[in-house]
Amino acid sequence: EVQLVESGGGLVQPGGSLRLSCAASGFTVSSNYMSWVRQAPGKGLEWVSVIYSGGSTYYADSVKGRFTISRDNSKNTLYLQMNSLRAEDTAVYYCARARLLDYWGQGTLVTVSS
Amino acid sequence: QLVLTQSPSASASLGASVKLTCTLSSGHSSYAIAWHQQQPEKGPRYLMKLNSDGSHSKGDGIPDRFSGSSSGAERYLTISSLQSEDEADYYCQTWGTGIQGVFGGGTKLTVL
Repeated sequence: EVQLVESGGGLVQPGGSLRLSCAASGFTVSSNYMSWVRQAPGKGLEWVSVIYSGGSTYYADSVKGRFTISRDNSKNTLYLQMNSLRAEDTAVYYCARARLLDYWGQGTLVTVSS
Repeated sequence: QLVLTQSPSASASLGASVKLTCTLSSGHSSYAIAWHQQQPEKGPRYLMKLNSDGSHSKGDGIPDRFSGSSSGAERYLTISSLQSEDEADYYCQTWGTGIQGVFGGGTKLTVL
């Protein structure tokens, strides 16, 4: 059974950093494209980042230069390192498999506030 | 620039059918999309991948009441025999060469 479990969210001050994790089971992260998607309170879904199976990475313009997607093949885990956080980064962050997002995690809430 | 357009809201009666629309912007009518459902206070769930020819492949455990179809730049999600648990937000999403991730604005479906 495919499962994705996010962790690492929390309250952080503007300008701070946070690292989100997404532990996968039932499939191999490194063999798949893996994505991060976020949802601000009361808003729609926003694509954030993707890492290809070959290792290429891509980012939304809104997070480019501040966020870094990566994976640990030995732990079968996806990460999102978030630096220079802003109030507008406040959202529930989801990891999802592939580009068509065929499996989603339950999400982890990131709140950026002083 | 690829844009997906969805109506903000839709409604239909319990037991009836409803057809939701996602429109691809000009020049992108060949793109496949995915439909996702988000029930209140829950995370999204993948429903299906829908190709430009109308063929589709559904996610695990998605009931037969959910089906997809295509016409030109329009992608449709039809839900038949509506149930109360179908009340949710529905998002279309696409990707492609040089396009990493795009979502429509979502349609809020109310079951009357």
